[in-house]
Amino acid sequence: LAKTTQPISMDSYEGQEVNITCSHNNIATNDYITWYQQFPSQGPRFIIQGYKTKVTNEVASLFIPADRKSSTLSLPRVSLSDTAVYYCLVGAPALKNAGNMLTFGGGTRLMVKP
Amino acid sequence: NAGVMQNPRHLVRRRGQEARLRCSPMKGHSHVYWYRQLPEEGLKFMVYLQKENIIDESGMPKERFSAEFPKEGPSILRIQQVVRGDSAAYFCASSPPRTSGRIGQETQYFGPGTRLLVL
Repeated sequence: LAKTTQPISMDSYEGQEVNITCSHNNIATNDYITWYQQFPSQGPRFIIQGYKTKVTNEVASLFIPADRKSSTLSLPRVSLSDTAVYYCLVGAPALKNAGNMLTFGGGTRLMVKP
Repeated sequence: NAGVMQNPRHLVRRRGQEARLRCSPMKGHSHVYWYRQLPEEGLKFMVYLQKENIIDESGMPKERFSAEFPKEGPSILRIQQVVRGDSAAYFCASSPPRTSGRIGQETQYFGPGTRLLVL
């Protein structure tokens, strides 16, 4: 069962690069890794998804080492508006009764300071 | 293309009343998920539905809670005889038809949530 572990919180300053690492030691062979962002009083928003190596989009990069037991979300040059909670989610290994694998966990609270 | 819509955005109920939460998925999406989020906590999966079918309800309390996603109309999460512990934000997400056997891989698009307060 691919339980995820993330730091509870992180602080950064505007313009810095932020890296948030998620551990998922029991990730299954075909599981994907997805990151979501949630602002206060809003629903989560998809940021990026990957399976291995590196994925980059207009918002972030996702680095996944060869063993896939962890992943790192990289946010380049953060701004105040990036202050949010970031969740790492690993795809469930089976369809039946796999709903609990969609529990997001506590996420990482990123605070960007001026 | 309108996003996932949820209504009401805020709902106040007294203990013992019923709460009905509605979710309209994005156009073309046939899968709906419901989550509950307590203050300062992550989202907890409740139920996963396709049109007219409950696929996985392993996260939903056995009593007082039910969900449906009819052929026509929004998905409904119903909470009967609400108690104070039901106070939370309830989020709905939708995704396009599955392309693999693994849930959690499809990108989920979340609605703004319904904040339920039980007095």
